[in-house]
Amino acid sequence: QKEVEQNSGPLSVPEGAIASLNCTYSDRVSQSFFWYRQYSGKSPELIMSIYSNGDKEDGRFTAQLNKASQYVSLLIRDSQPSDSATYLCAVGVQAGTALIFGKGTTLSVSS
Amino acid sequence: NAGVTQTPKFQVLKTGQSMTLQCAQDMNHNSMYWYRQDPGMGLRLIYYSASEGTTDKGEVPNGYNVSRLNKREFSLRLESAAPSQTSVYFCASSDVGRNSPLHFGNGTRLTVT
Repeated sequence: QKEVEQNSGPLSVPEGAIASLNCTYSDRVSQSFFWYRQYSGKSPELIMSIYSNGDKEDGRFTAQLNKASQYVSLLIRDSQPSDSATYLCAVGVQAGTALIFGKGTTLSVSS
Repeated sequence: NAGVTQTPKFQVLKTGQSMTLQCAQDMNHNSMYWYRQDPGMGLRLIYYSASEGTTDKGEVPNGYNVSRLNKREFSLRLESAAPSQTSVYFCASSDVGRNSPLHFGNGTRLTVT
């Protein structure tokens, strides 16, 4: 059974702080990794994708991938109240198959 | 720029009734998916279609059937609705190759009484 694990939270950070969200996965041959943001009552929205070991930065977001340790993380710098949402980690094992989602981490940014 | 369109947005059914959830995408994607999302359970895959003409079961297929009508459309049918099928249903699509990201529709909130 392929699994993707996330701490459900809530993770609470003050405005302007760095929020760190983590995700571990069970299948060593996983090839692609995604972070989605989901506001309450809305559909998931892709914010980051990463395929190779290391860091990938996009604005205030940085995704980090370590395949040897089988974890992927998302850092949000200068957190804003508008970042308050549930963040879903998704992992792809091979082309043509569906992504596997973690249950999500709820982030709350207080002003 | 519609992306993935789901209908209806909301639906209330009585136990035993049937209904079809519709999904269409205009991004020329090959793969389409149906997920359900329940509190504390995350997104769980019901069925997916890797390409036109193929469908495969996901994690929770019981009680559902799907039809890949053409490249654009992928429908989900509940033949005899049960209260356990109360959920939010998301359709998604993706391109092929290197596990392209999923693009989600806005969801259908279904209540079965």
